Amino acid sequence: DAKTTQPPSMDCAEGRAANLPCNHSTISGNEYVYWYRQIHSQGPQYIIHGLKNNETNEMASLIITEDRKSSTLILPHATLRDTAVYYCIVRVPNSGGSNYKLTFGKGTLLTVNP
Amino acid sequence: DTGVSQDPRHKITKRGQNVTFRCDPISEHNRLYWYRQTLGQGPEFLTYFQNEAQLEKSRLLSDRFSAERPKGSFSTLEIQRTEQGDSAMYLCASSLAGASKNIQYFGAGTRLSVL
Repeated sequence: DAKTTQPPSMDCAEGRAANLPCNHSTISGNEYVYWYRQIHSQGPQYIIHGLKNNETNEMASLIITEDRKSSTLILPHATLRDTAVYYCIVRVPNSGGSNYKLTFGKGTLLTVNP
Repeated sequence: DTGVSQDPRHKITKRGQNVTFRCDPISEHNRLYWYRQTLGQGPEFLTYFQNEAQLEKSRLLSDRFSAERPKGSFSTLEIQRTEQGDSAMYLCASSLAGASKNIQYFGAGTRLSVL
């Protein structure tokens, strides 16, 4: 899996948009970008994934640059419950070899302040 | 269906004792994964099952660790002769092969403290 780089921490005001960046400059053409988050003392929670087009679901939006070397996870209206560690992971889904596992870095601790 | 279930949530044991954790995946999921997470780090892969077959084990999984998934449903992770370094959160995840980019869904984890 390609290595990702994320800032160790970020702050956001409640109600504002939280924009979490991720660099994945060595991503290959068939690797997807996945985002998970982990609230304190819970297991990781899947948020969203994408290949090259921007994606949106009920939780967040994912913006992937045209060269696919970086992406941004956007939480449009952050709440206190969004305080968590956010992990950006790149991998090839449903292929052989070692691509069944998720390789987590240290992620970004997002703190949403009242 | 309530997602991936892990039991117990917390386990405190003395060094040298054996412990066993259980994971019940999402019912139709045929893939099951175990990860370990220590304080301040992201989860690290331990092992992976497709149905009842254990297909891969990480080098992190020493000989004291054994995982089973006897009927392709629930799984157990046993640690023999526990050491203080085994203290961690043990996470289980499941996924459905071939479906929606193989998204893994995690349980809440079992936190192990070895005294």
